[in-house]
Amino acid sequence: GAVVSQHPSWVICKSGTSVKIECRSLDFQATTMFWYRQFPKQSLMLMATSNEGSKATYEQGVEKDKFLINHASLTLSTLTVTSAHPEDSSFYICSARRGRDPGEQYFGPGTRLTVT
Amino acid sequence: GQNIDQPTEMTATEGAIVQINCTYQTSGFNGLFWYQQHAGEAPTFLSYNVLDGLEEKGRFSSFLSRSKGYSYLLLKELQMKDSASYLCAAMDSNYQLIWGAGTKLIIKP
Repeated sequence: GAVVSQHPSWVICKSGTSVKIECRSLDFQATTMFWYRQFPKQSLMLMATSNEGSKATYEQGVEKDKFLINHASLTLSTLTVTSAHPEDSSFYICSARRGRDPGEQYFGPGTRLTVT
Repeated sequence: GQNIDQPTEMTATEGAIVQINCTYQTSGFNGLFWYQQHAGEAPTFLSYNVLDGLEEKGRFSSFLSRSKGYSYLLLKELQMKDSASYLCAAMDSNYQLIWGAGTKLIIKP
C-alpha cells in the first residue's frame, strides 16, 4: 500500500511560537503534496499544494508568510506555522499524490495543533 | 464557481441501508471521491467513480451520473462502526479536490 505519515500527531504550543509539521510518504515518491486544515465539524480546507523543488501554491486567503511550506524531496514536505495564535488551533492534514492517477492520493493521519 | 452539496446529517438504524447524496459543480471533472472520516482522524478512501454507473465494493457502493452532476454513497447492513462523517469530493480539471462539508451519519441500535 501507500502510507503517509505525519509528525507530530499532536502538539501544544504557546502563542507567538512557531511549529513545524512533517509529512512523509513512506513507500512511494509523491509528485505532489497537499496541506489541509480542518476546524471542528467542518470539512477539509485546502491550504496549499506543493510540488517537489518548487514553491507552494497557496489557496486564496491563506497567508504564505504565516504558513511556510517546504517540499524538500519527493518524500518529505513540511508545514511551519509561524508566530502561532490560538485561532490557528486546528487539525492539519497532509496528503500525497503518487503519479497523476486521480485515485492515487493518500492522506496522513493528521496533526492536532493547540495554541495556548 | 465550484460547489459540492451534501446533507449535513443523517440518522439510520443498525442493519438498515442508507444512501448519502452529493451534487457537484466543478470546472472540468476528473472523478468523484467518497471518504470516511471518524472524529479526530484523517479521511480514509472509500471509492472513486469517473464513469457513469454503480461501483460496488462490499457493503459500500457508489454511483455517479456525470450528466446530472450527482453521486451517492450506499451503505448496506449498517454497523455501529459506520457512524462517521462521509465526505464527497470532486476532482476538477486541474486535478484538485473540491470538498463537500461532509455528512455526519448517526447509527442507532
